[in-house]
Amino acid sequence: AQSVTQPDIHITVSEGASLELRCNYSYGATPYLFWYVQSPGQGLQLLLKYFSGDTLVQGIKGFEAEFKRSQSSFNLRKPSVHWSDAAEYFCAVVLGGGSQGNLIFGKGTKLSVKP
Amino acid sequence: NAGVTQTPKFRILKIGQSMTLQCTQDMNHNYMYWYRQDPGMGLKLIYYSVGAGITDKGEVPNGYNVSRSTTEDFPLRLELAAPSQTSVYFCASSSSLTRSEQYFGPGTRLTVT
Repeated sequence: AQSVTQPDIHITVSEGASLELRCNYSYGATPYLFWYVQSPGQGLQLLLKYFSGDTLVQGIKGFEAEFKRSQSSFNLRKPSVHWSDAAEYFCAVVLGGGSQGNLIFGKGTKLSVKP
Repeated sequence: NAGVTQTPKFRILKIGQSMTLQCTQDMNHNYMYWYRQDPGMGLKLIYYSVGAGITDKGEVPNGYNVSRSTTEDFPLRLELAAPSQTSVYFCASSSSLTRSEQYFGPGTRLTVT
């Protein structure tokens, strides 16, 4: 069955340091992949998405993610973390492939930022 | 645009009580969704709708009911609340063209005691 794995439950980084959040998926074909962010007490907001083409995608708030088919990964990165980036981050894949199915979410990675 | 709005923000129910969680979107989206979020478990899809009058079950539909009489509204009904339904509930919507790009409401935190 399709699944999304976020291996890190909680990550703490210092403000200004670089960040990489891991996401692995299981699906035979090329999936449609997303990263969402959830600030405390808020709903989820779409950060970026990958459908096809360039495997390095840019998103909002200075985030980027790289799709690596050989590793079944879609890791989220940011070169310099700001205190306001403290939130929970969810990787998601479209069920059944394509762009029109329901989403399957990973369990999330909580990011804490040290001053 | 207000986007996706949900009411109430918080609610405490006693076991066996019923309630309706309200969700409204003003983006004219055809697709609407209800998720529940439990700590450390990500989001699980309860029900979704592809348009007015059409609903379908998601991954965890037991104990819930939905209806979709208008494009804007997608209420979630809990009958005979149980402690296992203690969770944060999110409503989301998306357009037909970009179904998987979903817009989320702020959530309803429900406690059943």
